[in-house]
Amino acid sequence: AQSVAQPEDQVNVAEGNPLTVKCTYSVSGNPYLFWYVQYPNRGLQFLLKYITGDNLVKGSYGFEAEFNKSQTSFHLKKPSALVSDSALYFCAVRDMMTGGYQKVTFGTGTKLQVIP
Amino acid sequence: DVKVTQSSRYLVKRTGEKVFLECVQDMDHENMFWYRQDPGLGLRLIYFSYDVKMKEKGDIPEGYSVSREKKERFSLILESASTNQTSMYLCASGVNIAVGELFFGEGSRLTVL
Repeated sequence: AQSVAQPEDQVNVAEGNPLTVKCTYSVSGNPYLFWYVQYPNRGLQFLLKYITGDNLVKGSYGFEAEFNKSQTSFHLKKPSALVSDSALYFCAVRDMMTGGYQKVTFGTGTKLQVIP
Repeated sequence: DVKVTQSSRYLVKRTGEKVFLECVQDMDHENMFWYRQDPGLGLRLIYFSYDVKMKEKGDIPEGYSVSREKKERFSLILESASTNQTSMYLCASGVNIAVGELFFGEGSRLTVL
């Protein structure tokens, strides 16, 4: 089965500073990778995806992610953090179920706290 | 604006009670999912449906069942709720899972006493 790991439970960053939320993956074949964000008391929202092509993927709200095949990583980044970016961030990967159906498998999540 | 609506945001039930969680999407998506979210465990897939009346078990189906009688509606059923089913339940829908873009409801927080 494919999997992703988010090594940090929480990341703190000062407003205006660059932020990075880390994700590593373990897949067989080509990885299909995603980032989602969850604001308090809300469902998840899709941010961006890597399927193929350019290693730097741009997404919503000024976020981008860097795919690194040699390090099996897919870190989420933003050049300048906003207090409103404070949320729970999930890395995810396309996976296969018994019977050949596809699903999305999520990491454990990283809480981002942006300090004013 | 796309929308996935979960019928109840907060529920409190007693052990042994039957619980229904309903989810409706207005995007004509074939695929619908039920996940549960627990701190430190992320999201875990309970059940999945790829068409009306079709269902597949996810990673943690024990203690749950589902129903999909209409394309837009996917229900999660706890036949006899237990305290270890206290959790946040998230419904999602999508067209092409390969590109991973799922649309989520706002969640149903269930407490079983």
